[in-house]
Amino acid sequence: AQSVTQLGSHVSVSEGALVLLRCNYSSSVPPYLFWYVQYPNQGLQLLLKYTTGATLVKGINGFEAEFKKSETSFHLTKPSAHMSDAAEYFCAVSEDTGGFKTIFGAGTRLFVKA
Amino acid sequence: SQTIHQWPATLVQPVGSPLSLECTVEGTSNPNLYWYRQAAGRGLQLLFYSVGIGQISSEVPQNLSASRPQDRQFILSSKKLLLSDSGFYLCAWRGAGKTQYFGPGTRLLVL
Repeated sequence: AQSVTQLGSHVSVSEGALVLLRCNYSSSVPPYLFWYVQYPNQGLQLLLKYTTGATLVKGINGFEAEFKKSETSFHLTKPSAHMSDAAEYFCAVSEDTGGFKTIFGAGTRLFVKA
Repeated sequence: SQTIHQWPATLVQPVGSPLSLECTVEGTSNPNLYWYRQAAGRGLQLLFYSVGIGQISSEVPQNLSASRPQDRQFILSSKKLLLSDSGFYLCAWRGAGKTQYFGPGTRLLVL
């Protein structure tokens, strides 16, 4: 069965500092991995995804994530935080088989201090 | 391009009243459709998904139901709302690469 664990329900960084949001997954087959961002009172928006191939994935707004199979991790990073990055971030996994479901982590709220 | 609509955007309903939330998708055919709920400060809970007209899979036993009367229409209903039904309801469809695309959501407050 699939599962996703996001370490830290809240992360606070200063503007210009590195952003690191942690995600570990569990999957019995090769996974598809996603990061979504949610701004207040809005739906989720895809930031980036890993399917196959290159393990370092670049997304929108300067974010990137690296798939590490040996660590079962898919951490999200951004070199320099901006005030507009303040939002909730969700890691998600979907198995590369005939399944229809995507499993979401509990979310990490990112705060950016001026 | 594909778009997904939800309405209403906000709803305040008394306990025991009925509910109907609607989701429609444009620009794609025979999509897999999903209803999620976010309670305050919590993650996404999958409520229902549908792989075709009239085909509904329920993930969590509750007083909610879903229907898919048309290919690109997905409806979430309740006959009698509970206080615990309050939350942010999100509709999504599954695109290429198993990516889920979300609607803008409906904020439901049950009083």
